[in-house]
Amino acid sequence: NSKVIQTPRYLVKGQGQKAKMRCIPEKGHPVVFWYQQNKNNEFKFLINFQNQEVLQQIDMTEKRFSAECPSNSPCSLEIQSSEAGDSALYLCASSLGEGAETLYFGSGTRLTVL
Amino acid sequence: AQKVTQTQTSISVMEKTTVTMDCVYETQDSSYFLFWYKQTASGEIVFLIRQDSYKKENATVGHYSLNFQKPKSSIGLIITATQIEDSAVYFCAMREGGTGNTRKLIFGLGTTLQVQP
Repeated sequence: NSKVIQTPRYLVKGQGQKAKMRCIPEKGHPVVFWYQQNKNNEFKFLINFQNQEVLQQIDMTEKRFSAECPSNSPCSLEIQSSEAGDSALYLCASSLGEGAETLYFGSGTRLTVL
Repeated sequence: AQKVTQTQTSISVMEKTTVTMDCVYETQDSSYFLFWYKQTASGEIVFLIRQDSYKKENATVGHYSLNFQKPKSSIGLIITATQIEDSAVYFCAMREGGTGNTRKLIFGLGTTLQVQP
């Protein structure tokens, strides 16, 4: 079973509503990635963190998405105003960081925007 | 730009047989890392096995092994003695070399494996 914990498993929102999902990285992993997987199995990188600091994010994430990884709390990804095109599986992954190349994924949050 | 291509959309095999899934990649990096992940029906993505480009020996973990052909930019996954529970979508992924925690994983589109009893 995955040691990266994502909640909730399923999320249903109406267009324009906020959608928030959480991720607890594997213990001791300071690096966190968020990916979006669409129904065609395409993975899109959204944002990544090292501890509480954003390392890199794509333009879409800057505009409509907000994310954080506060100290001693789960990481979170929030869509401010959901759109139908946001319906996807949102995956969180963590790693030990420098020198540790493998990313470990959670079970994902499946978002449906009606 | 980096790219990962899995040409097999789906494969069906009989239980206890051996299956090979293909993956080719494109990169300008001299050093890189290749991965295979399995996505179960629930959506969970499980790390299976990894090949570092500078290693000549093919990686093996349990009943998973890799066929790494660097000159062909190819990294095939071999599953021996397949079991029903191996039925899943298998993703090939590449992480660029170098240092830094911003280096992303680039995924292929996956191969669906169905193991028949």
